[in-house]
Amino acid sequence: GQQLNQSPQSMFIQEGEDVSMNCTSSSIFNTWLWYKQDPGEGPVLLIALYKAGELTSNGRLTAQFGITRKDSFLNISASIPSDVGIYFCAGQLSIGNEKLTFGTGTRLTIIP
Amino acid sequence: GAGVSQSPSNKVTEKGKDVELRCDPISGHTALYWYRQSLGQGLEFLIYFQGNSAPDKSGLPSDRFSAERTGGSVSTLTIQRTQQEDSAVYLCASSLTMGYTFGSGTRLTVV
Repeated sequence: GQQLNQSPQSMFIQEGEDVSMNCTSSSIFNTWLWYKQDPGEGPVLLIALYKAGELTSNGRLTAQFGITRKDSFLNISASIPSDVGIYFCAGQLSIGNEKLTFGTGTRLTIIP
Repeated sequence: GAGVSQSPSNKVTEKGKDVELRCDPISGHTALYWYRQSLGQGLEFLIYFQGNSAPDKSGLPSDRFSAERTGGSVSTLTIQRTQQEDSAVYLCASSLTMGYTFGSGTRLTVV
């Protein structure tokens, strides 16, 4: 099935560093979402974006919906150990109940 | 219930056998989704149920895969004549208006 291009695939950082990851698509999406998945669990929604150009923050997380509606990025500031996990972007054609197209994921590891 | 419940959490089956995976969505959620996550991969859409509408089956990879949702609540994903490439984590999610809640998944291993 279709997947979004997400980069980087993995990141190894030290605690306290900032993190940036992004997602691009050849198709336009009207909603962008970012999820985090811990081992053995399902993904959990972090941030949802509904308008092109929108910049939204949730604590140390900031995400933007690209102007072209074909990309999005997620920044995490001052990383802490509990940020470890896999981050997925997801695109949705419309707000509401519809299938999501997921990115391939960014695995974040914090080096002690 | 409080969250989306999936069972079993782990399933090991022999190649060629049929398996059934169960999903109990959050009570009152009208939409239910099944996704598949292979090792190191993102989530691949399989099927979507919305209320009493005909399900969107466009993501099912072959006719060995089927799903039903009884009474607008519990859903069962069935894989017939399992193959080794079916090994993956099968995730169920439900929603009411927007924003999915995922279950913890069923890890299927076909040996």
